[in-house]
Amino acid sequence: KNEVEQSPQNLTAQEGEFITINCSYSVGISALHWLQQHPGGGIVSLFMLSSGKKKHGRLIATINIQEKHSSLHITASHPRDSAVYICAVGLLPERLTFGEGTQLTVNP
Amino acid sequence: NAGVTQTPKFQVLKTGQSMTLQCAQDMNHEYMSWYRQDPGMGLRLIHYSVGAGITDQGEVPNGYNVSRSTTEDFPLRLLSAAPSQTSVYFCASSYSVLQNYGYTFGSGTRLTVV
Repeated sequence: KNEVEQSPQNLTAQEGEFITINCSYSVGISALHWLQQHPGGGIVSLFMLSSGKKKHGRLIATINIQEKHSSLHITASHPRDSAVYICAVGLLPERLTFGEGTQLTVNP
Repeated sequence: NAGVTQTPKFQVLKTGQSMTLQCAQDMNHEYMSWYRQDPGMGLRLIHYSVGAGITDQGEVPNGYNVSRSTTEDFPLRLLSAAPSQTSVYFCASSYSVLQNYGYTFGSGTRLTVV
């Protein structure tokens, strides 16, 4: 069993839909990251969470430390949100463990 | 522009050749890491550094060497390329302030070993 599990692996939505991507982990962590990887390959850090909830624009990330679970929500999804979303966890900033990613496709 | 610069973006090597993937950051970040990304797998840590002169092995270090002579640079050396090292390689730098830390990734190097 992987230390970081994401679900779903693939997600197709229509523009405007509310999207949720889940991440469960089995190791102790000091922080959890949500990353975005576009088809061109570059990886961008969206959020770093150690507790509670964060919001940037249409993106919301939550974490439940006791349940070892995090969710990434996208409100009013748009085709430009199409990307791979990756959950990563770690105790130390130089050593992260990554999930396999969730491929999101938002159709117009 | 501030960030993490990786070169080259693409490289084809023959089995047995050696090469160095370059990584430089200009944000004065303490921590730097190298990851490889393979289909169907999450990114895996190859080597990391917590500061100039200090490096350590990650999850998949075999066949790779690193050094960190300056804060800015963290090159990854492939000693004798093998087809199993065909992958996309990402360098990342990070900082830590009061247990908050930020991550910046390079744009990646797509390596093919034939």
